[in-house]
Amino acid sequence: GAGVSQTPSNKVTEKGKYVELRCDPISGHTALYWYRQSLGQGPEFLIYFQGTGAADDSGLPNDRFFAVRPEGSVSTLKIQRTERGDSAVYLCASSSSNRGLRERWSYNEQFFGPGTRLTVL
Amino acid sequence: AQTVTQSQPEMSVQEAETVTLSCTYDTSESDYYLFWYKQPPSRQMILVIRQEAYKQQNATENRFSVNFQKAAKSFSLKISDSQLGDAAMYFCAYRTLGRTSYGKLTFGQGTILTVHP
Repeated sequence: GAGVSQTPSNKVTEKGKYVELRCDPISGHTALYWYRQSLGQGPEFLIYFQGTGAADDSGLPNDRFFAVRPEGSVSTLKIQRTERGDSAVYLCASSSSNRGLRERWSYNEQFFGPGTRLTVL
Repeated sequence: AQTVTQSQPEMSVQEAETVTLSCTYDTSESDYYLFWYKQPPSRQMILVIRQEAYKQQNATENRFSVNFQKAAKSFSLKISDSQLGDAAMYFCAYRTLGRTSYGKLTFGQGTILTVHP
């Protein structure tokens, strides 16, 4: 039934290691967003997918961060050479397509997953 | 770039009372959406209420209502008859209408709401 799911729920890793965070969007949702939420802060946009392609990756902080969505469904956020500053909750959200909305003020609600808490030691 | 500011890191309210959470934003755009999201300890963001900038009428959803002041760029959330289940972190968020934004949200820093029995 489901809503957006994210795995793992928690991930602890050591500085310098590589991690992958997975997002399963709601079935049929073609739009997918990744956000990062540092401790005590609001989420910050990382990347947006429409289908398989990253339409906007302007929020990725540097080239250690990369995300894919090869089949237009599941997405994986990949972080290389992790740093302590990467510790945060990574949230995924999905929505129906943003394309083809006829009315100017139409929009599709983003549904969020429970996030993955990443801790880099 | 748009910014969203929540100046109240923490608020508290007695059960059954009313509380107002504040939010201000900065934008040069005239068309946009504003939202309030609730984030309980489970971390899952839940949409509470939405306001379209062109609408003068304030949005309401059951016990939740907003006071939208476009000229002042202010967007406060009022929770009436507070319940224990309302305790959570609340985020104010902005979304531009422009197609090139792809619907991404800009969030404030959040306000932790505590409800006392």
